[in-house]
Amino acid sequence: NAGVTQTPKFQVLKTGQSMTLQCAQDMNHEYMSWYRQDPGMGLRLIHYSVGAGITDQGEVPNGYNVSRSTTEDFPLRLLSAAPSQTSVYFCASSYSTFSYEQYFGPGTRLTVT
Amino acid sequence: AQSVTQLDSQVPVFEEAPVELRCNYSSSVSVYLFWYVQYPNQGLQLLLKYLSGSTLVKGINGFEAEFNKSQTSFHLRKPSVHISDTAEYFCAVSELDTGKLIFGQGTTLQVKP
Repeated sequence: NAGVTQTPKFQVLKTGQSMTLQCAQDMNHEYMSWYRQDPGMGLRLIHYSVGAGITDQGEVPNGYNVSRSTTEDFPLRLLSAAPSQTSVYFCASSYSTFSYEQYFGPGTRLTVT
Repeated sequence: AQSVTQLDSQVPVFEEAPVELRCNYSSSVSVYLFWYVQYPNQGLQLLLKYLSGSTLVKGINGFEAEFNKSQTSFHLRKPSVHISDTAEYFCAVSELDTGKLIFGQGTTLQVKP
């Protein structure tokens, strides 16, 4: 199993540009989530999904959209990038509720200039 | 709303010394508790978790943690650290009613030879 994969690994955007961060898992996990990691702030939940077709907001959802059309994929869209969105983004998946171990991808380092 | 506080942002320690990384949480409902570790330039991986039962939980790499409900704490300990334990450690809490996972700010463990 590849586990949780994320692309790209690095990205530089200009303010106002849009882009999609890709996330895929091959473990047939129902739960998937997106976090951003900023120095001194730990990981903050952006959006999450409890299954295909179902998504919900986390702690910091503004400026981001998600959809879950398949069990495997959970892309994160930045609608109009802002410097405040410079961060490291992690996708994670788990078998069921958050009581189960979450498996994290390697991360995407995004810089918005 | 739940919150997680990791009381030390950095913990320097010499190799083979014991270490304790402190975590306190705030929640009005029952919670699940987790410790994750992040090695440099990698995603997070689960060290251990407390769901119910014995309050002393053993994890991978010789780490253990104790759940103290009265003090709302979940401190992580290791009796003898190795250089390879140098990493960032995150405490996380999941409320049973919402299922969302909230992370602390992280503690950097620096093991010196």
